[in-house]
Amino acid sequence: ETGVTQSPTHLIKTRGQQVTLRCSSQSGHNTVSWYQQALGQGPQFIFQYYREEENGRGNFPPRFSGLQFPNYSSELNVNALELDDSALYLCASSLGHRGSGANVLTFGAGSRLTVL
Amino acid sequence: KQEVTQIPAALSVPEGENLVLNCSFTDSAIYNLQWFRQDPGKGLTSLLLIQSSQREQTSGRLNASLDKSSGRSTLYIAASQPGDSATYLCAVVGANNLFFGTGTRLTVIP
Repeated sequence: ETGVTQSPTHLIKTRGQQVTLRCSSQSGHNTVSWYQQALGQGPQFIFQYYREEENGRGNFPPRFSGLQFPNYSSELNVNALELDDSALYLCASSLGHRGSGANVLTFGAGSRLTVL
Repeated sequence: KQEVTQIPAALSVPEGENLVLNCSFTDSAIYNLQWFRQDPGKGLTSLLLIQSSQREQTSGRLNASLDKSSGRSTLYIAASQPGDSATYLCAVVGANNLFFGTGTRLTVIP
């Protein structure tokens, strides 16, 4: 059984550019959640996808968008990058039902984005 | 809005000591509570999950308690080891997402 894998592990972008981060969920999981963790802070919820549909969103602007594919892998896209977008982006997968809330999440190692 | 606070922000203890990490939350309507460990620059490793109907959960040298009515959880680490050095995060589980505290950075001195 494989865990959650994220790519790339590190990347550097300049302000105004766009970035795509990728996540492969753990085998058998159908739900993917994305979190942003700024330096010295706890992770903040960006959004969740359940069976290819958005199933909840945190307080992030529309330039943060996502996709979930039929194999339950997922992408996080961020447009018009700002300096404050520099953070560790964590993906987590789980086996869930819409709104159940009580499912154990398995986290990936994260993608560290630096915006210059 | 759920707010999660962890105290202390940082803690240094000599090897072998028992220690307690604290977590408080403002909204008692939670599904469950999880404690995670995070090594520098790494992802999160789940340590313990306490269902909202439970009072405590144990795994090896770790014991976590939950008091929903007072909005508190504690993580007890027995006989600390240098390998326990990491940041410990508490997360309260809502309907679709986790609300995290800012963590306690633990250093165990050999």
